[in-house]
Amino acid sequence: EPEVTQTPSHQVTQMGQEVILRCVPISNHLYFYWYRQILGQKVEFLVSFYNNEISEKSEIFDDQFSVERPDGSNFTLKIRSTKLEDSAMYFCASSEIQRRQTQYFGPGTRLLVL
Amino acid sequence: AQSVTQPDIHITVSEGASLELRCNYSYGATPYLFWYVQSPGQGLQLLLKYFSGDTLVQGIKGFEAEFKRSQSSFNLRKPSVHWSDAAEYFCAVGATSGTYKYIFGTGTRLKVLA
Repeated sequence: EPEVTQTPSHQVTQMGQEVILRCVPISNHLYFYWYRQILGQKVEFLVSFYNNEISEKSEIFDDQFSVERPDGSNFTLKIRSTKLEDSAMYFCASSEIQRRQTQYFGPGTRLLVL
Repeated sequence: AQSVTQPDIHITVSEGASLELRCNYSYGATPYLFWYVQSPGQGLQLLLKYFSGDTLVQGIKGFEAEFKRSQSSFNLRKPSVHWSDAAEYFCAVGATSGTYKYIFGTGTRLKVLA
């Protein structure tokens, strides 16, 4: 069964550094999402992406964040200057254009900012 | 505003006992409804989902959930809990238009006593 994959599974970075989290959505999916889960808290929507542009973003998704689909298979989340509070698990999800109500989640990237 | 409430932060049950996890939502129409399970340090696994039709839905691992429109609830149940069910459970609402983003509840941590 096709799966959403994410790399790396864990990343440790220094405060102020840039990180890029990578996701490979399911191949025929055209809607992409990033969610964040701070340790011990709920999963929060960050951004949705379709047709090479952001379709919706939350208030969390400020100017330090950006998303990109650099090629036909990858979907990335860049955090430009990481802060301690960016430490979280980041989940990528994707869905089919015909069945957008069902999102398939990746295993997550655990980001630790020191 | 759309929201999901899981009133129980922690629940402890004995192995073999029945389980009910509560979920209430606030949404302008009937949303898409989901239950996910998350083991420590792991990703999100979909247990079941409700879009329309029969209000009692069956999921994986012996779980079921019942949608009650009058109560704006979507409670998760299992008749006999196994020790391996110990995990965190998240209820989520999916928007029925726009980007179809998910809104998650704060989760219920289930502990199973041997």
